[in-house]
Amino acid sequence: DVVMTQTPVSLSVSLGGQVSISCRSSQSLVHNNGNTYLSWYLQKPGQSPQLLIYKVSNRFSGISDRFSGSGSGTDFTLKISRVEPDDLGVYYCGQGTQYPYTFGAGTKLELK
Amino acid sequence: QIQLVQSGPELKKPGESLKISCKASGYTFTDYAMQWVKQAPGKGLQYMGWINTQTGKPTYADDFKERFVFSLETSASTAYLQINNLKNEDTATYFCARNRYFDYWGQGVMVTVSS
Repeated sequence: DVVMTQTPVSLSVSLGGQVSISCRSSQSLVHNNGNTYLSWYLQKPGQSPQLLIYKVSNRFSGISDRFSGSGSGTDFTLKISRVEPDDLGVYYCGQGTQYPYTFGAGTKLELK
Repeated sequence: QIQLVQSGPELKKPGESLKISCKASGYTFTDYAMQWVKQAPGKGLQYMGWINTQTGKPTYADDFKERFVFSLETSASTAYLQINNLKNEDTATYFCARNRYFDYWGQGVMVTVSS
């Protein structure tokens, strides 16, 4: 199975600040069809996860441009700029390239 | 708008069975696969597997090949997760989510297994 390793485990940020979360996969996430199915999700307390970014860098419908994804192969990054209170929660990366699909362990974003 | 609405919380005893539903609306049900995800209390997301909504064929991740059954009622745009012979470690919230992007999620079903 593809292991997804997220760092850091937790992150403290001031409102208005910027943060980056790293996600590394144990194998390349480039699919045979040329797509890289790496996504980012945010789970706010008591809620379901919500999709933020898909295929590395594509923002999902309604997602602010303060969220950006980058990377390739096995190394990926989520950046959040001008952090707002509604951004707090646990961020997960996930891969949909190789079955079984897998998720990282999560990064908790908290206020400093 | 696209929605996945799941059934309500469950409290069961070890050895019992349950069936969770996930009703889709706002899109053509058979156009997208349905995924299932487990989240134990205070833990991360664990992928359970998926069901092909066109053929009804389920595929299970290794930890979910015993006791877990995915099924469909296509006419009702509904996917089901059945868990047989419940164990304490099945206590978790179970989510359905659409396609390999997990672009839409159900609200989750909290399942508690306790004697």
